[in-house]
Formats: sequence, C-alpha cells, structure tokens
Amino acid sequence: DAGITQSPRHKVTETGTPVTLRCHQTENHRYMYWYRQDPGHGLRLIHYSYGVKDTDKGEVSDGYSVSRSKTEDFLLTLESATSSQTSVYFCAISGPGTDYEQYFGPGTRLTVT
Amino acid sequence: AQRVTQPEKLLSVFKGAPVELKCNYSYSGSPELFWYVQYSRQRLQLLLRHISRESIKGFTADLNKGETSFHLKKPFAQEEDSAMYYCALRTTSYDKVIFGPGTSLSVIP
Repeated sequence: DAGITQSPRHKVTETGTPVTLRCHQTENHRYMYWYRQDPGHGLRLIHYSYGVKDTDKGEVSDGYSVSRSKTEDFLLTLESATSSQTSVYFCAISGPGTDYEQYFGPGTRLTVT
Repeated sequence: AQRVTQPEKLLSVFKGAPVELKCNYSYSGSPELFWYVQYSRQRLQLLLRHISRESIKGFTADLNKGETSFHLKKPFAQEEDSAMYYCALRTTSYDKVIFGPGTSLSVIP
C-alpha cells in the first residue's frame, strides 16, 4: 500500500470544534495531497504540498489549512468544523519515483454533528 | 479552465456485455490522462494511463485530442469490474491532478 497511512480512520466531532487529520508516508515522495470525496462530486483537491513548508490551495480550500514541517507528514486542519465538512478525506502522494502516479491512503471518514 | 467530466454517475451492464465509461476534459496544455478505480473497501488505485497505451484487466482507453475525450472500454464486462471509476487529468502545475466526478459501474450477473 505504498507506505501511506492516515489517522484517525474515523472521527465524529461537533460543529465548531477543531479537527486535525494526519497523513504519513514512508516513501520520501515530494508531492502530497488532501482530497475530499463526496457523492456526485468525486474527488476534489483541498490543498497540496510540493515540498517541506511549500503548500498551495486546491479547488475547495475554504475552511481548511495544512502544514508540512517534514517530508513524511502532511496535516489537514479544520479550524472550526461545520456539517458541510462531513466527508471522506483521502491523502495521496506522488513524485518522480512513482512516475507521477498518485498513491492513496485508506481514507478518513469524518462526521461533523 | 481545467476540467474533467464524466456524464454517467451510474452505469449498469450485464456480465459479458461491452462497457464504455465516458470521460471528457478541457485543458489548454498537453494532457496526461489517467483512469483510477476504487473497488469496494479498497484504496483508490491507478488502472491505466494514456501514455503507456496498455490494456489492464481487459480495459483500454484512447486519448482523442480532437474530441477531448478519454473513454474507458472493455469488450466483455466481468462481475469483478463493479467499482467506482474516476477519470483524471494531470497538469504540469506541481503535479496537480484533477479528478472527474466518477462513474459507478455495476455488472449484473
């Protein structure tokens, strides 16, 4: 499974609380991504990283922030969770070593009540 | 604008019938296109990419730049093909990949 894990795998939280999801890789790949998966919308890019401390916004970045302080970890933070952020979140990695194929984590199911 | 569309949310076919999952894209640069698949309770994974021109699990896809399409085809569907299929476009901007909304394929025994 390409050495990529996500934690937690499931989380239920209340509206207004902060939430941090973690993506960890053991492959030393340059690029890391956070997507959300919703019925009818497919996978939408939230944020991505092209190196340590180098991040940029995707198409649905409002309400989310990210940090990458070391190559192996990419954190996604919901500063104040809302019900519209209930979703399945996927992390992915890629780089020259993958021939730019994206490898995905197992996903985190987040429910905001 | 960079965009990937998949017009069918759901597609049902009988086992042994041909299947075609449609994908269209818009991109001003030279496109690199992929099909990813997500089987039940498994991770999203690459099925094929247009530059390799391979046939994976009997699936093929041809890039048609004139019609801006990258349709996925298989002549004889199998039950194990039931899954969610995503068409994706890789851009040259920091290796961003744009996914379509996905098509859920159901193969009826």
